[in-house]
Amino acid sequence: DSGVTQTPKHLITATGQRVTLRCSPRSGDLSVYWYQQSLDQGLQFLIQYYNGEERAKGNILERFSAQQFPDLHSELNLSSLELGDSALYFCASSEGQSAPSEQYFGPGTRLTVT
Amino acid sequence: GIQVEQSPPDLILQEGANSTLRCNFSDSVNNLQWFHQNPWGQLINLFYIPSGTKQNGRLSATTVATERYSLLYISSSQTTDSGVYFCAAPRGATNKLIFGTGTLLAVQP
Repeated sequence: DSGVTQTPKHLITATGQRVTLRCSPRSGDLSVYWYQQSLDQGLQFLIQYYNGEERAKGNILERFSAQQFPDLHSELNLSSLELGDSALYFCASSEGQSAPSEQYFGPGTRLTVT
Repeated sequence: GIQVEQSPPDLILQEGANSTLRCNFSDSVNNLQWFHQNPWGQLINLFYIPSGTKQNGRLSATTVATERYSLLYISSSQTTDSGVYFCAAPRGATNKLIFGTGTLLAVQP
């Protein structure tokens, strides 16, 4: 158990819908990262927050947004869902905001868009 | 940005055999992590090893930062070692990890 929690574990929804994925970092970690794992793109970095502020952005679509709350949990919002958004979404956390800082991954949320 | 390559892409072993997985990275790094993704999809931290050698039970890892590669050794493999092994390095000064394409390991009884 990494100490990072994610809910829900599985999500099945229809195209055009909106979903929210939730992540709680390890105790004491201030950075939260979101990654997407799809069959064709592999594991890709989406976005990082540190202590409530956005720190780095990767290949995140405009339909996707995230935020980190004062209690340090984070939410990833995916809207206008398309079939291609079906993937495993991971949240990770680390103590620091920049390298080197070991990242610990949550169990992931498996999103299926039908 | 940094490129991360892993080899071999897949590997089939008999239980009890040893194996070496390789990770090459294109730029110098100050952080390298190895992960095991089990058949249920969970990403499990194996090693945080920017340089040197670390051991944890039957697994060990060595990173030679000056030559830009890292090796993961699995000894006396077990069926529970099956899954995909990823290495990942951060891009630049940020901590966003760039993952390799992974090595798919199948350990047969």
